[in-house]
Amino acid sequence: ETGVTQTPRHLVMGMTNKKSLKCEQHLGHNAMYWYKQSAKKPLELMFVYSLEERVENNSVPSRFSPECPNSSHLFLHLHTLQPEDSALYLCASSQQFNQPQHFGDGTRLSIL
Amino acid sequence: KNQVEQSPQSLIILEGKNCTLQCNYTVSPFSNLRWYKQDTGRGPVSLTIMTFSENTKSNGRYTATLDADTKQSSLHITASQLSDSASYICVVSPGNDMRFGAGTRLTVKP
Repeated sequence: ETGVTQTPRHLVMGMTNKKSLKCEQHLGHNAMYWYKQSAKKPLELMFVYSLEERVENNSVPSRFSPECPNSSHLFLHLHTLQPEDSALYLCASSQQFNQPQHFGDGTRLSIL
Repeated sequence: KNQVEQSPQSLIILEGKNCTLQCNYTVSPFSNLRWYKQDTGRGPVSLTIMTFSENTKSNGRYTATLDADTKQSSLHITASQLSDSASYICVVSPGNDMRFGAGTRLTVKP
């Protein structure tokens, strides 16, 4: 148990669907992150929230939309995804921005 | 070219043997370097974190070294176990940022 819970663990969706990924942390951390992990490639940082404010958006396509309603919850809203978006999406949290992170176990996303 | 290069890409060893994984980086300035272990189907878990002034740090059978002059780090695993089979990811921080290596996939066979 890492203290960071992601749901669902697996998701299969068509390119025209709308779905959301959820992340919840029980560690009292102030920063939360979304990463994309593709096979044999480095983790790609997508979004960072610190104290519920977005502090980083690494040129992520607008079909990915993050939401951080409070310091314990983070969502990634998905809309009109492409096959190349199939990957493992990892959520992480840390006490403060850029401190050691605790990762969830990810959502395996497959786009048909 | 990625600023954090890990080698080898994959490695197979027999249970009980030692192994060393490499991480070379060009990230500058340097704040800290972390090694993570990622089991299949799980998220990464932190093994060690080292700052500029530290050149070695151990966590059980895992020992990380850092040479900030040559910008190299290694992760040494002693007396490997089947449960060491995982991907090992090197992460270098220049400050308010993180640069990830692509990882080394380690398989320990009985």
